[in-house]
Amino acid sequence: EVQLVESGGGLVKPGGSLRLSCVGSGFSFTNAWMSWVRQAPGKGLEWVGRIKSETDGGTTDYAAPVKDRFTISRDDSKNTLYLQMNTLKTEDTAMYYCTALLDALDYWGQGTLVTVSS
Amino acid sequence: NFMLTQPHSVSESPGKTVTISCTGSGGSIASNYVQWYQQRPGSAPTTVIYDDDQRPSGVPDRFSGSIDSSSNSASLTISGLKTEDEADYYCQSYDTNNPWVFGGGTKLTVL
Repeated sequence: EVQLVESGGGLVKPGGSLRLSCVGSGFSFTNAWMSWVRQAPGKGLEWVGRIKSETDGGTTDYAAPVKDRFTISRDDSKNTLYLQMNTLKTEDTAMYYCTALLDALDYWGQGTLVTVSS
Repeated sequence: NFMLTQPHSVSESPGKTVTISCTGSGGSIASNYVQWYQQRPGSAPTTVIYDDDQRPSGVPDRFSGSIDSSSNSASLTISGLKTEDEADYYCQSYDTNNPWVFGGGTKLTVL
């Protein structure tokens, strides 16, 4: 069974930093393209960014609102995906989900909540 | 930029059939696959349709997806509605500038 477990969310002040983690199990993490998607309270889904598998180059892409502030990385030896978030803004407050693309199908984690507030 | 537009809400009675539309603008919806995600209240999204019309294992065949190039839209159809189908539904596709593009979501009420 595919499982994705996010952690690292919490309350942070504007301008602060936070690192989220997502541990995958039940699938070949090495071969998966991984993404982060967020959802502000009461709002729709917003793509944050993704990282390809190392086999496919391991490159990253980011949505415009987070580009140059957020960094996605992966440690395949630990089956773990990361989201480093710097210079956080109040509008970054959201539930953050990681997803794994396996054979054209996306699997979702349960999410971790990030609140940016003074 | 490619955008996807969904109706804000739809409602239908149990046992009936409902169709949720997802209209593309700024590009052809047929150029890339469309996915549909279901998000029940308080839960994470799950995939109910991928690659336009494919159902993951475990998703009932009451759920189906289609593409209509003439209207540049995708559709999610749910037949034999059950109260457990009440949820938010999001369509998603791809764009050269943003690898993932989401529709705004449709709230399905089964009453």
